[in-house]
Amino acid sequence: AQRVTQPEKLLSVFKGAPVELKCNYSYSGSPELFWYVQYSRQRLQLLLRHISRESIKGFTADLNKGETSFHLKKPFAQEEDSAMYYCALYNQGGKLIFGQGTELSVKP
Amino acid sequence: NAGVTQTPKFQVLKTGQSMTLQCAQDMNHEYMSWYRQDPGMGLRLIHYSVGAGITDQGEVPNGYNVSRSTTEDFPLRLLSAAPSQTSVYFCASSSPRQGLRYEQYFGPGTRLTVT
Repeated sequence: AQRVTQPEKLLSVFKGAPVELKCNYSYSGSPELFWYVQYSRQRLQLLLRHISRESIKGFTADLNKGETSFHLKKPFAQEEDSAMYYCALYNQGGKLIFGQGTELSVKP
Repeated sequence: NAGVTQTPKFQVLKTGQSMTLQCAQDMNHEYMSWYRQDPGMGLRLIHYSVGAGITDQGEVPNGYNVSRSTTEDFPLRLLSAAPSQTSVYFCASSSPRQGLRYEQYFGPGTRLTVT
């Protein structure tokens, strides 16, 4: 069955520290994976997608098919990165399967 | 473009009442979805549609109905509200077209409380 797992409900780091938000997936096929972010009182928005291999706001994520992971990383966290982060797996017909979400708190 | 709009922003219902959450998009997207967001559970798909006149069930469809008579609108109906339906509801749209592939655009959400 298709599934996305984010093992950490809350991740708290200090400003300037490295950040890694974990995401593991199960999918029979070639996955398309995304990270979405929800800042306080804002709507969910796409942060990045694995197929683009891009870096957005200093965040990167590499698809590791061997470990079935798509962890989100940033070398130096900023206070404005504090938000809820969701890993998501594309399923057919425009559907996304979301993980449980990780709340990132960056302390000054 | 307004993107994806949802009304109302907040709603309080009594158990057993019915209501419709409205969702509209002006991006000519083929796909539209409804999710509910609950603490510790992420977003779960309620219903989705791949085009006008076509809808299907997601992960948690019980207690909800949808219809898609136009490309733009995708209302979600709660038939008989229950406290378990207290949640934040998000509508989203996307398109399989080149350059837009699968990126979901979300509405601002509707916070529903059922007492």
